[in-house]
Amino acid sequence: LAKTTQPISMDSYEGQEVNITCSHNNIATNDYITWYQQFPSQGPRFIIQGYKTKVTNEVASLFIPADRKSSTLSLPRVSLSDTAVYYCLVGGFAHGGGATNKLIFGTGTLLAVQP
Amino acid sequence: GAVVSQHPSWVICKSGTSVKIECRSLDFQATTMFWYRQFPKQSLMLMATSNEGSKATYEQGVEKDKFLINHASLTLSTLTVTSAHPEDSSFYICSAGMVREAGQYAKYFGPGTRLTVL
Repeated sequence: LAKTTQPISMDSYEGQEVNITCSHNNIATNDYITWYQQFPSQGPRFIIQGYKTKVTNEVASLFIPADRKSSTLSLPRVSLSDTAVYYCLVGGFAHGGGATNKLIFGTGTLLAVQP
Repeated sequence: GAVVSQHPSWVICKSGTSVKIECRSLDFQATTMFWYRQFPKQSLMLMATSNEGSKATYEQGVEKDKFLINHASLTLSTLTVTSAHPEDSSFYICSAGMVREAGQYAKYFGPGTRLTVL
């Protein structure tokens, strides 16, 4: 399973754009990159998932370079409620068997948003 | 869509008793579910993979006789902590996978169950 490396913590202010980068140097060909957000005493919440290039949804963007050895989660205009731990995970999702592949969590990035 | 529920959300029990935690996929079927444990200020640790209709697969260091997993249907998996001790106090989280758009798979997590063993 590919190992991920993220900054332990980041600080930001309300209204700023936040970019959290994750390294996954040994990502496999069939691995997807998924980001989760976790608040204290809650289960992780799915944010975004991608395989290559750029993915955007209503809450975030995910940038993945051509070599796929890293990825960047971009949160536009953060608010105080975005203070949470953000996890980057990689996992293989081969067709027909994807749901069975387990995900291993790294340390995550604690994002602290200040007024 | 993609809602995973857990019951109970918290439980307090005496040392030596057994506690059952339920994990349900509410709007999709999950042949495979996963159980995690999280201690304060730490990341999630995968405990086991629960397979519908077959035995669970446990991660190294997790006692299968201590943490009994049953996956009786495509929407329900249970984790029973047997003879619980204070060191078993933790936050237990389950997850299930489903197909998203364009054939991509994603794991969705339950809200977690806080277990406190006195």
